[in-house]
Amino acid sequence: NAGVTQTPKFQVLKTGQSMTLQCAQDMNHEYMSWYRQDPGMGLRLIHYSVGAGITDQGEVPNGYNVSRSTTEDFPLRLLSAAPSQTSVYFCASSYDRMAGRGAIYFGEGSWLTVV
Amino acid sequence: TQLLEQSPQFLSIQEGENLTVYCNSSSVFSSLQWYRQEPGEGPVLLVTVVTGGEVKKLKRLTFQFGDARKDSSLHITAAQTGDTGLYLCAGTTGGGADGLTFGKGTHLIIQP
Repeated sequence: NAGVTQTPKFQVLKTGQSMTLQCAQDMNHEYMSWYRQDPGMGLRLIHYSVGAGITDQGEVPNGYNVSRSTTEDFPLRLLSAAPSQTSVYFCASSYDRMAGRGAIYFGEGSWLTVV
Repeated sequence: TQLLEQSPQFLSIQEGENLTVYCNSSSVFSSLQWYRQEPGEGPVLLVTVVTGGEVKKLKRLTFQFGDARKDSSLHITAAQTGDTGLYLCAGTTGGGADGLTFGKGTHLIIQP
């Protein structure tokens, strides 16, 4: 049972570098999203997608890009990494397009440090 | 942005005790969810409540959604060490796929 798979698990970047966090789900879910979790801040929505070819911004989208070319994959791109992007990133998916109505499955997280 | 305030932030109790954690907002939510997160892992959904006044039970855990759909509580009876974790509430105002608004969480430690 793969569920939601995130890679890499850990990454250290230098300021200004770019990278992509990968997210894949094998449950044929339409709704996928990316959150970041910071101490004392809770989980904050970065970007989300309600289906292939459709993406939208969440609460904290600056510095991040997403695309949704397939139902299964929803990569998160950091364009020019900054120390403020040091965080734990979680990808989530659900069958129900209406967030909060159905079961939402989270990946195990990607720990990113920007130095 | 709708805020969800969770209290207490930290709670450490002995095994066997009862506890309640709260999730409050000034906004009305169409649904509210509770998650538990263990260190190094993603949040895992415990329950979804959608009706004002709704009460759901999951073994020793009782979840309640306020009548006005602005608040919720999680009550644990006879806590066990396995209940240790970060408990998060998350809500949606509904009507759109704009993601969940999360509270900052309650860090719960159950001591043997």
